[in-house]
Amino acid sequence: SQTIHQWPATLVQPVGSPLSLECTVEGTSNPNLYWYRQAAGRGLQLLFYSVGIGQISSEVPQNLSASRPQDRQFILSSKKLLLSDSGFYLCAWSTPWINTIYFGEGSWLTVV
Amino acid sequence: QKEVEQDPGPLSVPEGAIVSLNCTYSNSAFQYFMWYRQYSRKGPELLMYTYSSGNKEDGRFTAQVDKSSKYISLFIRDSQPSDSATYLCAMRSGNQFYFGTGTSLTVIP
Repeated sequence: SQTIHQWPATLVQPVGSPLSLECTVEGTSNPNLYWYRQAAGRGLQLLFYSVGIGQISSEVPQNLSASRPQDRQFILSSKKLLLSDSGFYLCAWSTPWINTIYFGEGSWLTVV
Repeated sequence: QKEVEQDPGPLSVPEGAIVSLNCTYSNSAFQYFMWYRQYSRKGPELLMYTYSSGNKEDGRFTAQVDKSSKYISLFIRDSQPSDSATYLCAMRSGNQFYFGTGTSLTVIP
């Protein structure tokens, strides 16, 4: 069966510090991978998605970036965090033949 | 206009009640419809999905899709305190997924 792991679960970072959130998927190959941010009352905001290694589409211009160094690994990064980057970040996966999307456990980021 | 509209609630019901959660959408290209349950500080978990108009039942949960009205519903029978969570509807078009903002549900013992 397929599983998705996301870490760290919680982190507190100072303004201006770098960020790295990592996500891996097991049990499937060539998944579509997604990073979302969830804010209270605003639903899920798509940040990045990837249909293959090195292929990243950005949906929202901001100081975040994403990379996909391996088929089932997706990384969300920032060089310098802003207060407004605080939130709940979710990694997710899907495939063209599975008509649903599956989420990781989420990462709570607080920028102080 | 958002592509998916969902009443945020909050919705509070007594244990054992029937709960009705609803979403409307505007894009006729949506073909797959999902419901997720999200507990506080956790990732959403898939409850049900369907791709056609009509009803789909799974235990106490029934998903209903009306493509002609662009309206989907999730019914929860015999609601339990453990059903207290936020429920999100979602729809797929190609590689993209579109989500409602979620309805917060509290089931009171």
